[in-house]
Amino acid sequence: EDQVTQSPEALRLQEGESSSLNCSYTVSGLRGLFWYRQDPGKGPEFLFTLYSAGEEKEKERLKATLTKKESFLHITAPKPEDSATYLCAGQGAQKLVFGQGTRLTINP
Amino acid sequence: DGGITQSPKYLFRKEGQNVTLSCEQNLNHDAMYWYRQDPGQGLRLIYYSQIVNDFQKGDIAEGYSVSREKKESFPLTVTSAQKNPTAFYLCASSIKVTGTSLKQYFGPGTRLTVT
Repeated sequence: EDQVTQSPEALRLQEGESSSLNCSYTVSGLRGLFWYRQDPGKGPEFLFTLYSAGEEKEKERLKATLTKKESFLHITAPKPEDSATYLCAGQGAQKLVFGQGTRLTINP
Repeated sequence: DGGITQSPKYLFRKEGQNVTLSCEQNLNHDAMYWYRQDPGQGLRLIYYSQIVNDFQKGDIAEGYSVSREKKESFPLTVTSAQKNPTAFYLCASSIKVTGTSLKQYFGPGTRLTVT
């Protein structure tokens, strides 16, 4: 059965303190690894799609990387507005399988 | 602006009543999806539709029903058979269901509370 696991469940950082979020996956025939940002009470907002091991994508303070077993979302010098839940999802044959998310809090 | 709309944002119902959640998209996407989100859990797929007048069960379809009479619309009915209906419901769409990229666009969600 396809599965996606994110760690940690919650992470609290000081403003400017860099860190990484982990997404481990076992998705048969992975066709894409997606990262979304979700603010409280709102729908997820698309961040990145990664297709093959070794691929990296960046957007502002965020960089996503992909290996054959996991993906990382690196956040560099975060600001309070980066506080949100970050979801990753692996694309199988016909659907996305989501992890449970990492709730990130950046303290000023 | 193109996007997905869900209404209402908050919905309250008494136990035993059926309730229908609305989802409309103007992105001209073929595929539409319904997810359920509970605290501390990932999104779980309820139903999805690849084309008008066709839909498939997801992982947790019991107690739910859908229709797809128009490309733009994919309403979800939460029936009285759903044992734990209180949750945050998200609608999404993508260009297609199969292919190399399933990038899904999400609506703002409907929070359903059943007492």
